[in-house]
Amino acid sequence: AQSVTQPDIHITVSEGASLELRCNYSYGATPYLFWYVQSPGQGLQLLLKYFSGDTLVQGIKGFEAEFKRSQSSFNLRKPSVHWSDAAEYFCAVVGNDMRFGAGTRLTVKP
Amino acid sequence: NAGVTQTPKFQVLKTGQSMTLQCAQDMNHEYMSWYRQDPGMGLRLIHYSVGAGITDQGEVPNGYNVSRSTTEDFPLRLLSAAPSQTSVYFCASSSPGPGGDTQYFGPGTRLTVL
Repeated sequence: AQSVTQPDIHITVSEGASLELRCNYSYGATPYLFWYVQSPGQGLQLLLKYFSGDTLVQGIKGFEAEFKRSQSSFNLRKPSVHWSDAAEYFCAVVGNDMRFGAGTRLTVKP
Repeated sequence: NAGVTQTPKFQVLKTGQSMTLQCAQDMNHEYMSWYRQDPGMGLRLIHYSVGAGITDQGEVPNGYNVSRSTTEDFPLRLLSAAPSQTSVYFCASSSPGPGGDTQYFGPGTRLTVL
C-alpha cells in the first residue's frame, strides 16, 4: 500500500520568514498528492493537490508545492509566513485509498 | 448543501459498551471513508466504501464495523469499545474516488473510552 512520511514533527518559524514542509511518499505508480491544514479543534481543509501536469502546484492562502518524482517528494512552501498559518499540516497520497502522513505542527513566532 | 455531517460531536463510553458513529453526506459522493486521528500518528484509515453495498478495510479496521446501505450514509460501529479506541474520528467523502475532485471532511467526533 502507499505511504507518506513527514520527517518534521514540529517546525518553528518567525513571522514573515519562508517556510518549507517536507513530504516523501511511497507508491508504485503516479500518485495523487495532497496537502491539508488543520487548525486546533477543527477539521481538515484542503490546501492544494497534484494529479498530473505542471509539477508546481498553487494552492490557497499563498501556499505552493512541488512534485519531484525523482525524489518521491511533494514539499509545501510559502514565501512569507503569517501568524494565522500556525496549525498542523498533513500530506496525503492516494492509491486505492487515501493515506496521510503523521503531520507537521507549525509554530509561528512573532 | 450541508456537506459531511457527523454525530455526535462528543461521546464518552465505558469499556465494553457499543455505539454507532453517524456520518452522512448530501453531495451524492460514491466514496466515503472513516479515519481516526491520534497525536503523532496523523489520520489512519479505518474503513472505506466505493459505493452503496461495497465496503473494504483500511489500515486499522480491527474493532470497527461499517455498512453502506445508501449513498448518503456510512455509519461506523464499535461493538465492544476499548480504551485504545479513544480518538477523534473523521468521516470523509469524495467523487469519483479517494483522489476525486476534493475530499470533504466532517467536523469530527471526539470519543473517550474509559
